[in-house]
Amino acid sequence: ETGVTQTPRHLVMGMTNKKSLKCEQHLGHNAMYWYKQSAKKPLELMFVYSLEERVENNSVPSRFSPECPNSSHLFLHLHTLQPEDSALYLCASSQEWGTQYFGPGTRLTVL
Amino acid sequence: SQQGEEDPQALSIQEGENATMNCSYKTSINNLQWYRQNSGRGLVHLILIRSNEREKHSGRLRVTLDTSKKSSSLLITASRAADTASYFCATDVNDYKLSFGAGTTVTVRA
Repeated sequence: ETGVTQTPRHLVMGMTNKKSLKCEQHLGHNAMYWYKQSAKKPLELMFVYSLEERVENNSVPSRFSPECPNSSHLFLHLHTLQPEDSALYLCASSQEWGTQYFGPGTRLTVL
Repeated sequence: SQQGEEDPQALSIQEGENATMNCSYKTSINNLQWYRQNSGRGLVHLILIRSNEREKHSGRLRVTLDTSKKSSSLLITASRAADTASYFCATDVNDYKLSFGAGTTVTVRA
């Protein structure tokens, strides 16, 4: 599980806060992903980056803003979130479009 | 939209028994993958089966794929308490996009 790390593991924020989630992969992969997992719902793909270029923005509200400064790091900047945004946010990486390796996730609670 | 759907939603078995779960999907695929998720943690890749394969084994796991029925099954043999987790199938929507089902929650009782 140390191949893809995510920080923080837990985050509680108010609706007016700004926070960022961080993901780092140590696998030498060139693609990275953000997923949202809500209770009793399938994983939802949010963003995909390949070689630091965004290739997918899956109709995600603008209050979620991704950033991929290099192939090892991926951020998700959060601002003015809603309570329904509370979920487990998972980062994954892959070599090109191969098997995806997931991080442990950030459990986000929006009050 | 959701491509894969797992069945059953939940499964409770005794340690040592086998656990079988199924996945159905709607459109043609290049490959199908199974992942495991322990409570509140990330997904762990278990096995990938390509559309031209019918069966694949990995340790105590056996995966079958029937493309004519658009379905797959995952069998865990001789289950252990550590197998307690949620299991997801994922199909490839395009090169990089996977579509996950809602998962089967497996509880292995000691």
